[in-house]
Amino acid sequence: DIVMTQSPDSLTVSLGERATINCKSSQSVLFSSNNKNFLGWYQQKPGQPPKLLIYWASTRESGVPDRFSGSGSGTDFTLTISSLQAEDVAVYYCHQYYNTPYTFGQGTKLEIK
Amino acid sequence: EVQLVESGGGLVQPGRSLRLSCTASGFTSGDAAMTWVRQAPGKGLEWVGLIRTKAFGATTEYAASVKGRFTISRDDSNSIAYLQMNGLKTEDTAVYYCSRGRRVSGGWYLDYWGQGTLVTVSS
Repeated sequence: DIVMTQSPDSLTVSLGERATINCKSSQSVLFSSNNKNFLGWYQQKPGQPPKLLIYWASTRESGVPDRFSGSGSGTDFTLTISSLQAEDVAVYYCHQYYNTPYTFGQGTKLEIK
Repeated sequence: EVQLVESGGGLVQPGRSLRLSCTASGFTSGDAAMTWVRQAPGKGLEWVGLIRTKAFGATTEYAASVKGRFTISRDDSNSIAYLQMNGLKTEDTAVYYCSRGRRVSGGWYLDYWGQGTLVTVSS
């Protein structure tokens, strides 16, 4: 199974500042035939289901603010929030859909300083 | 508007069975891999399994923790996916989410999620 490890487990950032969350997979999730990374990022607020932010590691889902961006390839990935807003307080998960069983990172809790 | 609505959750004793349903609307459910993901109280997300489209043989995959106990099926004529859970254990207590797996460029990524249904396994 592919193990997804996020860092840090929790993060406190001031409003307007940059937030960076890392995700490392135990094996590559890059599909060589189309050069796509099978990696997504989700945001989950309390009492709500997860919401897709990013797929293919760097493609922003429709309607997601452009302050959210994804980067990385192979085994190392990053979710960046360029200017933190109050509504971004949530738990963030990375997710690989390269191989079954598909797996999630353990989550990173983002709070306001 | 894409909607997924889970139902069938509740309190069940260990060892018993429960069947969850996921009713889809706003898209052709037969074109999507229907996926179940669960979240134990205060914990992270755990992928449970999926059923691919009929074009991909309606094949199923499961997490090791539920393989042999849980079965996913689909009724595309009624836009419903099911999660049959047998031999339930206390550690199966969780909110169960249904999600749409959208196939693009050879992969199924999860774009829409239901609100979830709570399953509590306790004597």
